[in-house]
Amino acid sequence: EIVLTQSPGTLSLSPGERATLSCRASQSVSNSYLAWYQQKPGQAPRLLIYAASSRATGIPDRFSASGSGTDFTLTISRLQPEDFAVYYCQQYGSSLSFGGGTKVEIK
Amino acid sequence: EVQLLESGGGLVQPGGSLRLSCAASGFTFSSDAMSWVRQAPGKGLEWVSLITGRGEDTYYPDSVKGRFTISRDNSKNTLYLQMNSLRAEDTAIYYCGKHDGSHYGSEYFQNWGQGSLVIVSS
Repeated sequence: EIVLTQSPGTLSLSPGERATLSCRASQSVSNSYLAWYQQKPGQAPRLLIYAASSRATGIPDRFSASGSGTDFTLTISRLQPEDFAVYYCQQYGSSLSFGGGTKVEIK
Repeated sequence: EVQLLESGGGLVQPGGSLRLSCAASGFTFSSDAMSWVRQAPGKGLEWVSLITGRGEDTYYPDSVKGRFTISRDNSKNTLYLQMNSLRAEDTAIYYCGKHDGSHYGSEYFQNWGQGSLVIVSS
């Protein structure tokens, strides 16, 4: 089983700042089959990124992602008020598993 | 527009059983693999089962293997999760999720339902 570790656990930032979230895998993620999701309180998760760097339909270009092997990054270039939420990574290269999440909160 | 609507959640005693349903619309149901994902109160996401588009293959993590069974009825556009021998630690919101096809590399969650709450307690 691939274990995904997200860091930091909580990121305190102000609107307009840049957010950098990390997802590290316990072993290499095949084909960079890694996705990122955003979840707001009381809502289901929403797909942001798949295949490590491809934005899902309708996702603003302030969201970008990169990485391969065991290290992946989600970047939000300029935080908007609606971006404060919890973010999860998920690998699907070997079975399926999720990271523990990073909460992006308003500083 | 893709819509996924879960039902069947509720309060059940430890050791009991429950069946969740997920009614799908807005896409060709049989073309896409589907999964169930759960989220315990205040916790993260945990994948609990996947079924391929035609229902020929199913997959589970060790935490639910032998207790949970995923199935689908493509004639009714409905996904199911039969949960047996329930434990307190199975308490969670259960989401159904649609994948982007039914092939290797499509198993990210393109769409999610709003979830169904399962509480296991005496």
